Amino acid sequence: DAGVTQSPTHLIKTRGQQVTLRCSPISGHKSVSWYQQVLGQGPQFIFQYYEKEERGRGNFPDRFSARQFPNYSSELNVNALLLGDSALYLCASSLATANTEAFFGQGTRLTVV
Amino acid sequence: AQSVTQLDSQVPVFEEAPVELRCNYSSSVSVYLFWYVQYPNQGLQLLLKYLSGSTLVKGINGFEAEFNKSQTSFHLRKPSVHISDTAEYFCAVKNYGGSQGNLIFGKGTKLSVKP
Repeated sequence: DAGVTQSPTHLIKTRGQQVTLRCSPISGHKSVSWYQQVLGQGPQFIFQYYEKEERGRGNFPDRFSARQFPNYSSELNVNALLLGDSALYLCASSLATANTEAFFGQGTRLTVV
Repeated sequence: AQSVTQLDSQVPVFEEAPVELRCNYSSSVSVYLFWYVQYPNQGLQLLLKYLSGSTLVKGINGFEAEFNKSQTSFHLRKPSVHISDTAEYFCAVKNYGGSQGNLIFGKGTKLSVKP
């Protein structure tokens, strides 16, 4: 069984550009969450989606947005990139929102120059 | 609001020695507790979790953790470490119940196992 897959694995963008990151959850998982992990820190919660609806949002600016598709895959969009957006972006999937086990993908390393 | 404090940012230890990675949390509601491991350039892998019941939880790779409610701690232990245990370890909490299932992580502890 495939785990959580994220694409691309690495990305370099220029300040002010926009980026879209993609995540495919484990088959059968309906909940997808996004986390930002800045170098040297723990992951910070950005969004959670369940059944295509936003169920939670962390303390991130409106430049960050996400959506979930009918097949439960998800995209994270970041507009007007700043140098400080450089981080590892992790996607996690679980069966449901309250489910206790979240499975993480390998992440997308975003570098903003 | 919930928070997680990992008391040591780096822990160096010799191979086959025991190790304890410390984690304290703060929460006004009941929580689930987790330890994740992250190898270089990889995502997070669940080591173990405490949901309820026995306060001593056993996980993968020989790790175990003990939940102490009075001290709001969830320290991770291994009696004998291997070189391959070198990684970063994250403690995390999650609200008990509720419709939002996000994890709150500590800043991580880098475990470095030396031969």
